[in-house]
Amino acid sequence: DSGVTQTPKHLITATGQRVTLRCSPRSGDLSVYWYQQSLDQGLQFLIQYYNGEERAKGNILERFSAQQFPDLHSELNLSSLELGDSALYFCASSVGVAGNEQFFGPGTRLTVL
Amino acid sequence: DQQVKQNSPSLSVQEGRISILNCDYTNSMFDYFLWYKKYPAEGPTFLISISSIKDKNEDGRFTVFLNKSAKHLSLHIVPSQPGDSAVYFCAASGSKTSYDKVIFGPGTSLSVIP
Repeated sequence: DSGVTQTPKHLITATGQRVTLRCSPRSGDLSVYWYQQSLDQGLQFLIQYYNGEERAKGNILERFSAQQFPDLHSELNLSSLELGDSALYFCASSVGVAGNEQFFGPGTRLTVL
Repeated sequence: DQQVKQNSPSLSVQEGRISILNCDYTNSMFDYFLWYKKYPAEGPTFLISISSIKDKNEDGRFTVFLNKSAKHLSLHIVPSQPGDSAVYFCAASGSKTSYDKVIFGPGTSLSVIP
């Protein structure tokens, strides 16, 4: 158990809809990262927050947004969903801003029908 | 443009033998390298790392070798055990101590055959 929790574990929705994925980092970790893993793909970095502020953006679509709240939990919002958004979404956390040795949650599997 | 490459999607090794997983990178600014292991239905877990000032780092059965001139690193698992069967991701970043995002490779699926 990494100490990072993600909800929900599974999510099935239709094209055009909007969903919110939630992540609680390990106790004491200030950085939260979001990754997307599509079928047979590696982990694609989406976005990082450190202590409530956005620190880095990767290949995140404009339809996607995220935030980190004062209690350090984070939410990833995916809107106008398309079939291609079906993927595993991982949240990870780390103590500092450097981003190394991240601790990953179990992921949320999103299926868009 | 894939900055971190793992050219072998899969690898099968007999139990007790050595597993060698390879990784190549293109960005010479990468300064810190990590390996993560991922079991099905779980998130990746950190395995071992190496800084560019070293060429080898060892932790039990796991050793990572770094060849900066060739922009190549490898993970050696000796001896391999069936529980090592997982997907292994190579990752790289520009720094261990200051901010820089981590770039992951596509992963290599290792099967250790009993």
